[in-house]
Amino acid sequence: EAEVAQSPRYKITEKSQAVAFWCDPISGHATLYWYRQILGQGPELLVQFQDESVVDDSQLPKDRFSAERLKGVDSTLKIQPAELGDSAMYLCASSSSGNEQFFGPGTRLTVL
Amino acid sequence: QKEVEQDPGPLSVPEGAIVSLNCTYSNSAFQYFMWYRQYSRKGPELLMYTYSSGNKEDGRFTAQVDKSSKYISLFIRDSQPSDSATYLCAMSPPLIKAAGNKLTFGGGTRVLVKP
Repeated sequence: EAEVAQSPRYKITEKSQAVAFWCDPISGHATLYWYRQILGQGPELLVQFQDESVVDDSQLPKDRFSAERLKGVDSTLKIQPAELGDSAMYLCASSSSGNEQFFGPGTRLTVL
Repeated sequence: QKEVEQDPGPLSVPEGAIVSLNCTYSNSAFQYFMWYRQYSRKGPELLMYTYSSGNKEDGRFTAQVDKSSKYISLFIRDSQPSDSATYLCAMSPPLIKAAGNKLTFGGGTRVLVKP
């Protein structure tokens, strides 16, 4: 069964360091999403790609966060510098032509 | 006030009981409704997807949508300990472009099914 892949699964870093997360969507899915989920809350969208283009990054803190999907397949989300408040689960999801989004296992980030 | 409200629980039920979950929303533009199940330290897993008022059944799961009341529900029949997880409702407006729409999630309800 096709799945969304993410790595690493866990990341511990110190504040002010740079971190990067990788996502490989389900093959053929043109739309890719990055969400952030704080413990005890629902996921919130950070950025949405259609192929290699950004569709929505209105909630992405652009002073420290960046995302790219250069070839329209896999994607990288970067944080520099990391802050204590960035500790959360970072989820990647993908969809084909509809609204059904399929999530990866997530990367749990802890900033010390 | 959040766009989507969901009781955080925990909701504790004995094995075999019916689990009843619900969400209310304020944005009348929401037309697509989903329920996700999320086990601890895992990503959300899509359980149910619907876009019309009324009921949709899939095995032990029934999703109910009442757009006039801005209220959605998920029922789990014959609950099992393996159903213990956090259940997230999510919703979005109609698709207006080829790309999907962002989902707006509730905060999740934690469910515990005791053997």
